[in-house]
Amino acid sequence: NAGVTQTPKFQVLKTGQSMTLQCAQDMNHEYMSWYRQDPGMGLRLIHYSVGAGITDQGEVPNGYNVSRSTTEDFPLRLLSAAPSQTSVYFCASSYRSTGIGTQYFGPGTRLLVL
Amino acid sequence: AQKITQTQPGMFVQEKEAVTLDCTYDTSDPSYGLFWYKQPSSGEMIFLIYQGSYDQQNATEGRYSLNFQKARKSANLVISASQLGDSAMYFCAMRGGGAQKLVFGQGTRLTINP
Repeated sequence: NAGVTQTPKFQVLKTGQSMTLQCAQDMNHEYMSWYRQDPGMGLRLIHYSVGAGITDQGEVPNGYNVSRSTTEDFPLRLLSAAPSQTSVYFCASSYRSTGIGTQYFGPGTRLLVL
Repeated sequence: AQKITQTQPGMFVQEKEAVTLDCTYDTSDPSYGLFWYKQPSSGEMIFLIYQGSYDQQNATEGRYSLNFQKARKSANLVISASQLGDSAMYFCAMRGGGAQKLVFGQGTRLTINP
């Protein structure tokens, strides 16, 4: 049981380049989400998904796309990278329940946009 | 809208002392959950403790306890007998309105001195 995995761990992009951050979980969690963490701040929700084929926007969705074709995978696409997207990106997953719904986080992807 | 406020940017505590990290929240939802996460210097997000809005008793998990005062809308984390390994960033977060997405505070950096 690997939990939540993210690749790559670190990436440098030039302004205008596109890339996909990968996220996968093997816990059969319905709910998956992407957060970004800027220096000295808490995490802010970018996009989330409550199941395969269903996605929705979070607090800071501009500049990012997501899709959820399988339960396991939830990739985050940067369409045209900007320096303002320099951040640490966390993927999280949880059971879709009305109970504790603890979210388990991946190790993070550190992105630098020059 | 939901909001989490952590008013202590940094705290310094002597080893073996107890420490209280403050968290206040704002929500109009009658049903919500409050979480504390630890983020060590390695960067991962580690779930510590959860409190549901309808829970009658304060949550406890080993050395961690959550001082839940619903009328004051506060959910302070108490760490008993602090250890050097407790040095980290601590984030308070809220989930509400039936959604699984979390809203985070800005965090408190805790430093344990030997």
